[in-house]
Amino acid sequence: GAGVSQSPSNKVTEKGKDVELRCDPISGHTALYWYRQSLGQGLEFLIYFQGNSAPDKSGLPSDRFSAERTGGSVSTLTIQRTQQEDSAVYLCASSLGPSGNEQFFGPGTRLTVL
Amino acid sequence: GQSLEQPSEVTAVEGAIVQINCTYQTSGFYGLSWYQQHDGGAPTFLSYNALDGLEETGRFSSFLSRSDSYGYLLLQELQMKDSASYFCAVRDRRNAGNMLTFGGGTRLMVKP
Repeated sequence: GAGVSQSPSNKVTEKGKDVELRCDPISGHTALYWYRQSLGQGLEFLIYFQGNSAPDKSGLPSDRFSAERTGGSVSTLTIQRTQQEDSAVYLCASSLGPSGNEQFFGPGTRLTVL
Repeated sequence: GQSLEQPSEVTAVEGAIVQINCTYQTSGFYGLSWYQQHDGGAPTFLSYNALDGLEETGRFSSFLSRSDSYGYLLLQELQMKDSASYFCAVRDRRNAGNMLTFGGGTRLMVKP
């Protein structure tokens, strides 16, 4: 079956604009994760969804960041009033939860804030 | 909190063996994972160790010592396509063990 997909693959925006990034997890995977990766760096955890439980938002860097997961499937990460330091690759992953160890990653969205 | 240490960069020649170490500090440790990421690509799962010892999968092996909070990834018979970044990640008790904390990654360069 299809893997994790993300859209858009690239997004260039101006400072101060809002952006929405989309993630389609693997069908049947109940756990969904968002990460941020700056050039040459590791993966920074942002937010975690598990089924219908309240999401773990502990990794969101500021209140400009928010995420939703509708119907236990598709997720949208929204960044409001983007700043240049938000430029990074945003990766989505899903796993066969709970306690699914192997996370399957999407190709990421490369966000550039000018 | 959680922290992981791994070398930032390793260089080796084709056909050689290379070991990438990872030390970690965490609470409620469940296991250690390894992921591979080629430039511009998505991380892909390589291995997971929950118990002490060596797990072998083809040319790649992963080792864990829980008492030493230490693990390593061993790559044998290196090929040019193994040039990539390798991340260790700990699974701990946060969110009932469904979370991974990633290290900063080790960039492996394989030379002919």
